[in-house]
Amino acid sequence: AQTVTQSQPEMSVQEAETVTLSCTYDTSESDYYLFWYKQPPSRQMILVIRQEAYKQQNATENRFSVNFQKAAKSFSLKISDSQLGDAAMYFCAYRSALLSNFGNEKLTFGTGTRLTIIP
Amino acid sequence: DADVTQTPRNRITKTGKRIMLECSQTKGHDRMYWYRQDPGLGLRLIYYSFDVKDINKGEISDGYSVSRQAQAKFSLSLESAIPNQTALYFCATSERLPSGQFKETQYFGPGTRLLVL
Repeated sequence: AQTVTQSQPEMSVQEAETVTLSCTYDTSESDYYLFWYKQPPSRQMILVIRQEAYKQQNATENRFSVNFQKAAKSFSLKISDSQLGDAAMYFCAYRSALLSNFGNEKLTFGTGTRLTIIP
Repeated sequence: DADVTQTPRNRITKTGKRIMLECSQTKGHDRMYWYRQDPGLGLRLIYYSFDVKDINKGEISDGYSVSRQAQAKFSLSLESAIPNQTALYFCATSERLPSGQFKETQYFGPGTRLLVL
């Protein structure tokens, strides 16, 4: 079974600075997807960014980018120019690309990192 | 308007009561999911549905049942609520592509906070 580990329960960053959130995962599969979701105090789970394992190029979405290291099974999220609205819980998640296999429908989530933005 | 809605947003109930949490979506997605979020444990899959006729158990389905009344509606029931079912419950959807494959991204509703006393 796949596991996702977020070793930083809490992080803080000064507004306008850059912060990196860590995520590692364990899998025996070669084809999969990785995601970062944001959960602000409103509780909504919002997709921030996703990465296909077969792509070597790191995904970027505006101020958000990832550092995907497949061999190391690492998937960190970098937030540049941090803003007050970035304050939230951030969850890393894994999903198998093998849709024909029962049980691969689910997203496997890490335990989250709470990000605080210091004005 | 939100694409995925959940009702109620908050609910307090007593041990032994039957309750239903409802999810509706206007995204036109075929697949729908119910997850549970507990502090320190992330989200875990309870049930998922490929379409109206196809329901599948997730990793923590005991004590829960679901009903897919229509493509746009997927309800989660707790037949006899117990305190350890106190959690935040999320509904999610994902899209089928014209090729028949499903896109990998899941879109979440706003969540229902349930407290079982």
